[in-house]
Amino acid sequence: DAKTTQPPSMDCAEGRAANLPCNHSTISGNEYVYWYRQIHSQGPQYIIHGLKNNETNEMASLIITEDRKSSTLILPHATLRDTAVYYCIVRVMTSGSRLTFGEGTQLTVNP
Amino acid sequence: GAGVSQSPSNKVTEKGKDVELRCDPISGHTALYWYRQSLGQGLEFLIYFQGNSAPDKSGLPSDRFSAERTGGSVSTLTIQRTQQEDSAVYLCASSLEQGSNEKLFFGSGTQLSVL
Repeated sequence: DAKTTQPPSMDCAEGRAANLPCNHSTISGNEYVYWYRQIHSQGPQYIIHGLKNNETNEMASLIITEDRKSSTLILPHATLRDTAVYYCIVRVMTSGSRLTFGEGTQLTVNP
Repeated sequence: GAGVSQSPSNKVTEKGKDVELRCDPISGHTALYWYRQSLGQGLEFLIYFQGNSAPDKSGLPSDRFSAERTGGSVSTLTIQRTQQEDSAVYLCASSLEQGSNEKLFFGSGTQLSVL
């Protein structure tokens, strides 16, 4: 799986949008971009994934650049409960391919 | 419950003892994964089960580690002759969809402490 690069930490004010970047410049055409987050003392939680089109669900939006070499996860109105480590993962779309978690970004939402 | 259940939530053992960690996946999920997470580290893949296929054991760190999945449901991760470096949170995840739409659902993990 392609390697991803994320900033180690970010801060965001409560109620504001949190924009978490991810660089995946070596991504292949058959690799999807996945985002998971891990709140302290819990297991990771799926957020969103996409291939090349922008995606939105009830949790977040995913913006993937046209060349697919980077993406941004957007939490439109961050709350204190969004404080977590956010993992950007690229993964081939075949069954059974493991998720390889990097170091992620520690997002801290401040009141 | 509707989620992935792991037991025990905490386990303290002495070096050299064997331990068994249990995972109850979401009902109907065919895929099951084990990961471990050392303090302040990312997740490390251990093993993957999918239906009746042979498991992918490529992440197991040594032959002291083994896992089985009985009846395509409950899984047990066994660590023999535990060492202090085995101390970590052991996470189990299951999934239903395969391929590009696969979403993993994780349990809360078992915190293993080897004294």
